Amino acid sequence: GAVVSQHPSRVICKSGTSVKIECRSLDFQATTMFWYRQFPKQSLMLMATSNEGSKATYEQGVEKDKFLINHASLTLSTLTVTSAHPEDSSFYICSANHLQDFGEGSWLTVV
Amino acid sequence: GQNIDQPTEMTATEGAIVQINCTYQTSGFNGLFWYQQHAGEAPTFLSYNVLDGLEEKGRFSSFLSRSKGYSYLLLKELQMKDSASYLCAVSSNTGKLIFGQGTTLQVKP
Repeated sequence: GAVVSQHPSRVICKSGTSVKIECRSLDFQATTMFWYRQFPKQSLMLMATSNEGSKATYEQGVEKDKFLINHASLTLSTLTVTSAHPEDSSFYICSANHLQDFGEGSWLTVV
Repeated sequence: GQNIDQPTEMTATEGAIVQINCTYQTSGFNGLFWYQQHAGEAPTFLSYNVLDGLEEKGRFSSFLSRSKGYSYLLLKELQMKDSASYLCAVSSNTGKLIFGQGTTLQVKP
């Protein structure tokens, strides 16, 4: 069964609002989780590395004030897309520290 | 810089064998992954190579040559359900995964 779970699987929000996506490790403690974004017909791009108890590490070009990451426990990391715009519409996927399992992914549509 | 190359598209016939190649140039190497991704779904793990050689798992095999910066995924006895994107990804020394652009495989009857 799945060892990494994401919620929600699909979300539609209005432009200018914020939306939170959760990533949970189910059978293990994850000190590190990774957040990826995938646009249609493109590959996965790493957005940030989420570290339990400390600040996330963002990849170049990813706005840390727009994509807020919180990793407050060993089983949960959250990604909040703030002031969402239509260009933020994408497939967001997380993975946990052993890198072999991804969450189910979350489709975000900003209208 | 870091670069991972794989063909964009491939087509093969049901029952046949197909080989998907991946070449990489990365700063640091901590293993190479292959994932399968069906449209609209998250990637699923297929294989992991960290040492040179061939890893076989059922109908799927993966090969790695670190000196050549080269890997391939071999799919045998192709089935229609194998139509998907196949992603090559390299794990850097920091544990980050760097993905290639993916190869879309179409299996025809």
